[in-house]
Amino acid sequence: AQKITQTQPGMFVQEKEAVTLDCTYDTSDPSYGLFWYKQPSSGEMIFLIYQGSYDQQNATEGRYSLNFQKARKSANLVISASQLGDSAMYFCAMRFGRGSTLGRLYFGRGTQLTVWP
Amino acid sequence: DSGVTQTPKHLITATGQRVTLRCSPRSGDLSVYWYQQSLDQGLQFLIQYYNGEERAKGNILERFSAQQFPDLHSELNLSSLELGDSALYFCASSVGAGVGQPQHFGDGTRLSIL
Repeated sequence: AQKITQTQPGMFVQEKEAVTLDCTYDTSDPSYGLFWYKQPSSGEMIFLIYQGSYDQQNATEGRYSLNFQKARKSANLVISASQLGDSAMYFCAMRFGRGSTLGRLYFGRGTQLTVWP
Repeated sequence: DSGVTQTPKHLITATGQRVTLRCSPRSGDLSVYWYQQSLDQGLQFLIQYYNGEERAKGNILERFSAQQFPDLHSELNLSSLELGDSALYFCASSVGAGVGQPQHFGDGTRLSIL
């Protein structure tokens, strides 16, 4: 069974500091994609970053980077130089490349990030 | 702006009623997905359509149904509503169902059952 685990219900970081949000996953499927989404208090879901299981390099998108450790089955999100606007719920999600589960996203329970001045 | 449009943004209704949630995917996206977000269940996949055809079903109740029309917009129909159906319902779209294609979400429809 596919499973995504986010062990940090809440994280606090001071503005301008870096923060790492943890995500581990469990699958025996060799082909998969890992995604991070941000959900502000207003409710929308915003796509942040993607990492493929066959990618050799860690993905980066501006201040977001994904620390992908395949052997440990972890895909942690690193936010550099935190801003007050980064305060939100962050979800790790996974998508598989074959089988009946093709296409759908599996989500973790999320981590609530609070950035303080 | 993700390019995915969901209407209405808010819906308040009573138990036993029926509602329809509407979604217009991003231009060029053929796949549409519906998700339900609630405090106790988190984000749950309901159903997927690709170019008008149903492709996958998740935790969708029999009281719920959906369809994707020739113009690719989709509707999620919820009937015989119960208090537990109160949730945020998201529509998402992607070009296809490939592993590397991110799904882009609409702003959601917040359904409140009184």
